[in-house]
Amino acid sequence: EAGVTQSPTHLIKTRGQQVTLRCSPISGHTSVYWYQQALGLGLQFLLWYDEGEERNRGNFPPRFSGRQFPNYSSELNVNALELEDSALYLCASSLGEFLFGNTIYFGEGSWLTVV
Amino acid sequence: GENVEQHPSTLSVQEGDSAVIKCTYSDSASNYFPWYKQELGKGPQLIIDIRSNVGEKKDQRIAVTLNKTAKHFSLHITETQPEDSAVYFCAASMSSSNTGKLIFGQGTTLQVKP
Repeated sequence: EAGVTQSPTHLIKTRGQQVTLRCSPISGHTSVYWYQQALGLGLQFLLWYDEGEERNRGNFPPRFSGRQFPNYSSELNVNALELEDSALYLCASSLGEFLFGNTIYFGEGSWLTVV
Repeated sequence: GENVEQHPSTLSVQEGDSAVIKCTYSDSASNYFPWYKQELGKGPQLIIDIRSNVGEKKDQRIAVTLNKTAKHFSLHITETQPEDSAVYFCAASMSSSNTGKLIFGQGTTLQVKP
């Protein structure tokens, strides 16, 4: 069974540009999470989607946004890129809400470098 | 506020020895505590998790203990092997409300020397 898949794996963008990152959850999983892992800052919660709706977002500016499609895949959009947006962006999925006994599984991430 | 403290930040052990990583959390309502292993250039891999209704869980060489009163939980790896070398992250769910959010510790770099 395929795990959480993310694309692209690496990309370089210029400050001020926009980027879209994509995520396919494990088959059957309806919840998708996005985390940012900047160097030395650990994993920071960005967004949570469940059944096509945004359920929660972390403490990030509005230029970070996303959506979840009917097939439960998701994309993360970052507008007006800043140098400090350089990080590993991780997508994760779970069968349902993890507080109901489900486990969260991460993908390999998308490395974003902003120059 | 929501916070998870993880110690130590680095840990070096000899192959075959045990390794222990400790985490404390601030939210007494947290009830889900996963541990992830992250190898260089890869995403975090779940290695074990525990919920608040259980005090200890074991899976082969890996065990996790939870002390809800003291608000801390620990990862124990026995008979360490060089392939256990990686960064380990603990995490805690944020409160009992359904936020979908995990709060992560800062990570522990484990080095197992052959």
